[in-house]
Amino acid sequence: DQQVKQNSPSLSVQEGRISILNCDYTNSMFDYFLWYKKYPAEGPTFLISISSIKDKNEDGRFTVFLNKSAKHLSLHIVPSQPGDSAVYFCAASSNTGNQFYFGTGTSLTVIP
Amino acid sequence: EPEVTQTPSHQVTQMGQEVILRCVPISNHLYFYWYRQILGQKVEFLVSFYNNEISEKSEIFDDQFSVERPDGSNFTLKIRSTKLEDSAMYFCASSVRGRKNTEAFFGQGTRLTVV
Repeated sequence: DQQVKQNSPSLSVQEGRISILNCDYTNSMFDYFLWYKKYPAEGPTFLISISSIKDKNEDGRFTVFLNKSAKHLSLHIVPSQPGDSAVYFCAASSNTGNQFYFGTGTSLTVIP
Repeated sequence: EPEVTQTPSHQVTQMGQEVILRCVPISNHLYFYWYRQILGQKVEFLVSFYNNEISEKSEIFDDQFSVERPDGSNFTLKIRSTKLEDSAMYFCASSVRGRKNTEAFFGQGTRLTVV
C-alpha cells in the first residue's frame, strides 16, 4: 500500500542547475507534506514542509510546490550544489494521526 | 543544536533473542516515534508515543514490539523475539507537537542485524 510515491529512484544534475524531485500521493486526506534529506549512515534531516492550504513554500534554495488536484508535490533546488547529493524523501500526514508516510526516496547526485 | 541520539549504532543479535534499542529524544519534545527502513525499501512508521502511552501504531508493531519511556529521558523499543525479517535500520524521532505544523527530528538510526 504505497500512499506516497517517488517514481524516480535517482537523479543526476550539474552543479548550478535546478534539481526537481517529484512526489505523488494517493490519500486525499493528506494535508501536510515534508521533504527530508538523508546522507548515508545518518537519520533523515528535515528540509522543508508545506501545508495543504498553500501551494508553494520557499526556504532559501529550496522550494516545495503542491498541486492538490493532481496529488503531486515537487522539491526544487536552485542552484544545486555538490553538498546536496543525498537521498531525498517525501513524506505526508493526515489529520487522523501523527504518523508520516514516506516515499521510497530519490537519490540526487550533483555533479561538480 | 539539540539532537536525537540513538544507541547502539549497530546491533547484531541471534534470531529469537530480545533486543532493546535506545533513544534520547530532544528534551522539550513531547511526541516520540519509531520508524524503520528495511534495506532498499521505504521508511515505515512503527509507533508514536505521547503522554506516556502509545498514541498510534502500525500493523508492523505487533505483540513482539513494545515501547517504554522508563525515566523521562530515554525512549526504548523492545523486540521480544527477533526474526530475520526484523533486520533493518530503526530510527527514533521526536517532535514538539503532533504532526501538524511541525517536523519530527530523527536520530542517526540503529542498524539491527538478526542472524
